[in-house]
Amino acid sequence: DADVTQTPRNRITKTGKRIMLECSQTKGHDRMYWYRQDPGLGLRLIYYSFDVKDINKGEISDGYSVSRQAQAKFSLSLESAIPNQTALYFCATGSGFSYNEQFFGPGTRLTVL
Amino acid sequence: AQKVTQAQTEISVVEKEDVTLDCVYETRDTTYYLFWYKQPPSGELVFLIRRNSFDEQNEISGRYSWNFQKSTSSFNFTITASQVVDSAVYFCALSEAVTGNQFYFGTGTSLTVIP
Repeated sequence: DADVTQTPRNRITKTGKRIMLECSQTKGHDRMYWYRQDPGLGLRLIYYSFDVKDINKGEISDGYSVSRQAQAKFSLSLESAIPNQTALYFCATGSGFSYNEQFFGPGTRLTVL
Repeated sequence: AQKVTQAQTEISVVEKEDVTLDCVYETRDTTYYLFWYKQPPSGELVFLIRRNSFDEQNEISGRYSWNFQKSTSSFNFTITASQVVDSAVYFCALSEAVTGNQFYFGTGTSLTVIP
């Protein structure tokens, strides 16, 4: 089984709808991250969490919210989706004891019409 | 300011040619880590290599090699005898100890290997 899983893998939705992307990990890492990838822009950090009670905004948090339900689960919500949130979303985990390495999920492709 | 710059947006080479992907980084931290990831057309991110700031030894893994030079803040990636399967987007990333595991990605280089 994959260490970092994301659901759904693909989603098409309409403008104004609420969307939740979920991430689960079995690596036992305390740190979790959400990124979005747009063509030509690389990956940009949306939110990150260093433990269950710690949530931090990243570079592009506007229009997004997150919830760290447990050490292993980190969800990203779009309260009212808009077309420019169409992107590939990645969840990642990390540990301060693993040379700062991050482990990425398979990605969720979100299309907002 | 961009912490990681990948100036080459797209590169095309003919199969069996060598190709070098450039990565220049910027940091004031003395302890940091550099990474390369491959993103094939299927979309997942595949980890290729990690380097810490105290280890400037170049590394070779099969057809892949990496040249880390602190003097020029560069961490370049060379593919020798390229193959069609090497076609992908390649990302360089920086992680600083002071920011606790936060990654800064370059914008990626899209490599196309023509058969």
